[in-house]
Parts: sequence; C-alpha cells; structure tokens
Amino acid sequence: QVVLTQSPSASASPGASVKLTCTLSSGHSSYAIAWHQQQPEKGPRYLMKLNSDGSHSKADGIPDRFSGSSSGAERYLTISSLQSEDEADYYCQTWGIGFVVFGGGTRLTVL
Amino acid sequence: EVQLVESGGGLVQPGGSQRLSCAASGFIFSDNWMSWVRQAPGKGLEWVANIKQDGSEKYYVDSVKGRFTISRDNAKKSLYLQMSSLRAEDTAVYYCARHYGSGQYYFDNWGQGTLVTVSS
Repeated sequence: QVVLTQSPSASASPGASVKLTCTLSSGHSSYAIAWHQQQPEKGPRYLMKLNSDGSHSKADGIPDRFSGSSSGAERYLTISSLQSEDEADYYCQTWGIGFVVFGGGTRLTVL
Repeated sequence: EVQLVESGGGLVQPGGSQRLSCAASGFIFSDNWMSWVRQAPGKGLEWVANIKQDGSEKYYVDSVKGRFTISRDNAKKSLYLQMSSLRAEDTAVYYCARHYGSGQYYFDNWGQGTLVTVSS
C-alpha cells in the first residue's frame, strides 16, 4: 500500500516563498497526487493535481502564487509571496482502485 | 457552483448508530464517485469509504468495514453514511467529497463537514 510522508510543520515570513514536500513510498514514484489546503476551522479545499512529470492543473481561483513540481518520488507545493491567509494545513492525497491515501499534513505558519 | 452539505452529526453513545447525509447540488450527481472522509480532533484527514456512480462498487477503510455502510440516492442527489457499533475513536468531523471526473480520482470538491461525537 502506498504511503505519503509529509513534514509536520513549516514556517516562513510574509512575502517569502516556501516549498512543501510530499514523499511517495518506495515503488510508487509514478503516482500522481493532489494538494489540499485546510485553513483553521474550515473544511479542506482542493488546490491542484500534480503528476509525476511535474505537470499540474490547478483548481479554479487558485492564485498563480501556488505551483507544483515533482522529482522522483517527491511532490512539491511551492507558495510564493506568502500571505497571512496561506497559514493552513496542507495535505497531499493519492488514490487507486479501492483506496484513497492522505499524507499526515504539514502545518504552515506564516510568521 | 458545486455544493456539498453534510448533516446528521451529533452526540451518540458508544455502540450506537448514526446516519449522515450529504446533499449535493451544482453538478450532475450521478456522474461522479463520492467519498466520506473524516478528521478526528486535532488529527489529519482519513478516507472512510467511497461509492461508484450507480452504487455497484463500494470500498471501505479497514477500521470501519462491517460497521459502516455507504450508499447514495441519485434521484435525491444525496450521499449517506450509516454508522453502527460506534466507538470513541470514530469521533471526528465527517466530510463528503466528490471525486474528479468519472473515476476514483482525487477530490475536487469538499463539504464543510458534520461533527460526530461518540461518548457516554
């Protein structure tokens, strides 16, 4: 079964950039993932789908400040020009026949 | 605009039952797989179950197999989760989520959630 690993926390200053990582378990480096954002006290929101070749498709209304990239088994979410409203939990997700898997989430603090 | 609105949460005793509902609007409900995802207090997201467009295929996380049943009524544009033999560890916010496209893909829309608390 595929496992997604995320660092529990990250922090950066307003206006800076941050790169969050989601790592696929061994043997699953070809999997696509999706990134979701969960702001405090809110439900999750879909951000983008990210393929193994780094191509990605964002949800409507997601600013250009959000981008995705890939390298091997690593999937990245980069947020540039950080704003206070970017402070949230970020989850990666993958899927297959009969299952859906989430990473443990990364809590991003905008200092 | 796609909308998913969950209801049916509340306080239930251990060993009890609860039925959650999700009302869908803004899209052709019968076109998509649908899922339930939960989030225990202070924890991450956990997929619970999903169901095919016509209800002919259903999948569950191991921890709820035999206790939870997912179903849907396409005429009513509604998704359901019947939960029985509830345990304290089932306490969570339960979200309804739509799978993208026609397959078991990523979630492209989420509801706002309904809280289920299992406690005596």
